[in-house]
Amino acid sequence: LHLQESGPGLVKPSETLSLTCTVSGGSISNSAYYWGWIRQSPTKGLEWIGSIYYSGRTNDNPSLKSRVTMSVDTSKNQFSLKLSSVTAADTATYYCARVIVIVPTIPDEQTFDPWGQGMLVTVSS
Amino acid sequence: QSVLTQPPSVSGAPGQRVTISCTGSSSNFGAGYDVVWYQQLPRASPKLLIYGNTNRPSGVPDRFSGSKSGTSASLAITGLQAEDEADYYCQSYDSSLGGSVFGGGTKLTVL
Repeated sequence: LHLQESGPGLVKPSETLSLTCTVSGGSISNSAYYWGWIRQSPTKGLEWIGSIYYSGRTNDNPSLKSRVTMSVDTSKNQFSLKLSSVTAADTATYYCARVIVIVPTIPDEQTFDPWGQGMLVTVSS
Repeated sequence: QSVLTQPPSVSGAPGQRVTISCTGSSSNFGAGYDVVWYQQLPRASPKLLIYGNTNRPSGVPDRFSGSKSGTSASLAITGLQAEDEADYYCQSYDSSLGGSVFGGGTKLTVL
């Protein structure tokens, strides 16, 4: 299974960050998994952003929920992230990952495996 | 300030055993939620190392082992090798925050 992030590497403050993750070597419609976004910055370390099921059901980080929109396109085997009203604090390497949960209807405990190679997104004017 | 606390750095000589601690609280480990460990080699993405407290994915050497007790967890690496030099992160679910949380990471240096 391989995951690859894509999207603009530079976003202006107050605008919306948009990323897509393309999954190959497996189906995003596999009912055993969620698909997630994690970011990493020198100041905040690793931070889980949110996860989405193939049905469109989402599992959101409460601290980012108001600014996050996730979607899934099963026909393209892709899922996407939008983060609105970005500031310099949102500058980070963004990773997508497959998410293993014990019970899909209770997606609390998550294991991320594998991860994409990551994409640096810089917020700057 | 991470919800899960790890030492910033540990070191050991080749062949030695090192442990990396991950201290949580009653809303994560103490509530029974499992620990997951990741290894991040230089200039690479995190890679799953241990899941469900003690389980190794296929391909991970048995030199790596995990444990959890009460509000703390540990990763042990025996027979330290130069290729183990990396950052290591713990992760769990926190019921107070309502989502997955990570430790701040520990940089392992092989002397």
